Amino acid sequence: DTQLTQSPSSLSASIGDRVSIICRSSQTVNAYLHWYLHKPGRAPKLLVYAASNLPSGVPSRFRGSGSGTTFTLTISGLQPEDFGTYYCQQSHRLPHTFGQGTILDIK
Amino acid sequence: QVQLVQSGAEVKKPGASVKVSCKTSGYTFTSYNVNWVRQVTGQGLEWMGRMSPNSGSTDYAQKFQGRVTMSSDTSTRTAYMELHGLRSDDTAIYYCARSTSPDSSASLFWGQGTLIIVSS
Repeated sequence: DTQLTQSPSSLSASIGDRVSIICRSSQTVNAYLHWYLHKPGRAPKLLVYAASNLPSGVPSRFRGSGSGTTFTLTISGLQPEDFGTYYCQQSHRLPHTFGQGTILDIK
Repeated sequence: QVQLVQSGAEVKKPGASVKVSCKTSGYTFTSYNVNWVRQVTGQGLEWMGRMSPNSGSTDYAQKFQGRVTMSSDTSTRTAYMELHGLRSDDTAIYYCARSTSPDSSASLFWGQGTLIIVSS
């Protein structure tokens, strides 16, 4: 299976901060890398698909970048609704594995 | 608008089976794969597998091979995930999800989740 490793595992930040989360894969996933935000009691929300594409309605403060084995999700100007757990997922090879998650909380 | 509505929470005994339904609306059901993802309490998201309502083909994570069956009923636009031989560590929230496009596997639309509790 393709293993995805996210760093950091957790971080604390303040409203307005810029933060970055890295996702590294054990083998290339080309650009088939997606990012989600998951909050307790709610379904995950897709933030970025295919490494750098934002679905309609996702604010432009979210930016995805990278290819191959290293990917970054950057959030510029954190908002209160951005706190939760972030996951990357690859869909290049079966099974479509998720990273272990990065918990982003308020400092 | 696209909607996926899942069946309600269930409590099952170890060794039993559970079948979760995912009723869809707002799009052409047979054009998009349905993914199934779960979250065991206190753990991360876990991809279980996917199925094509058009062809009926399935791909399962090896962890669930032999224990899971994904299916659909095109007449009711409903996808199903059945998990057999339940264990306590199958206690989790189970989600169905639809991809962004027919040739993508990023999950854009999600059901609300179904809590399955396995307890004697």
